[in-house]
Amino acid sequence: EAEVAQSPRYKITEKSQAVAFWCDPISGHATLYWYRQILGQGPELLVQFQDESVVDDSQLPKDRFSAERLKGVDSTLKIQPAELGDSAMYLCASSRIRGGTSETQYFGPGTRLLVL
Amino acid sequence: AQSVTQLDSQVPVFEEAPVELRCNYSSSVSVYLFWYVQYPNQGLQLLLKYLSGSTLVKGINGFEAEFNKSQTSFHLRKPSVHISDTAEYFCALKAAGNKLTFGGGTRVLVKP
Repeated sequence: EAEVAQSPRYKITEKSQAVAFWCDPISGHATLYWYRQILGQGPELLVQFQDESVVDDSQLPKDRFSAERLKGVDSTLKIQPAELGDSAMYLCASSRIRGGTSETQYFGPGTRLLVL
Repeated sequence: AQSVTQLDSQVPVFEEAPVELRCNYSSSVSVYLFWYVQYPNQGLQLLLKYLSGSTLVKGINGFEAEFNKSQTSFHLRKPSVHISDTAEYFCALKAAGNKLTFGGGTRVLVKP
């Protein structure tokens, strides 16, 4: 069964350093999402891609976060500089149909970030 | 605006006992509703979803949920839990053109 891949699974960094997370969605999935999940809370959408285009980044802290999906396949989320409050699980998800409201999102295993 | 409220942050339950996880939502338009499960240090897995039609939805691992439009609820149930059901459960909703919105989660601890 196809899965969403993410790496690394765990990342420890010091504040003010740069970190990057990678996501490879299920093959053929047009839509890719990055979520942030703070411990004890539900995931919150950071950015949504449709192919290589950003369709929603309203909750992305653009002064320090950036995301790209250059060829419309895999994606990278970067934080520079990292702050203590960025400690969280970063989840990637993908879905098949472009703009499909009812379409199921499939989640990867996540990257747990700890900023010291 | 849309929102999801999971009324219980933690639910302890004995093995083989039934469990119900409560979810209420708020939206001014029609929504689709989902339940996801998250095992420790893992991503989210879809348990079931309500799109339309029958208000009783059956999912994987013996879970089911009932959509109640008048009460704006989508409670999740399982008649007999196993130790392996220990996890965090998230209710979520999506309306046309909007993002997937999650509740705060309910942590289920199954005791032997």
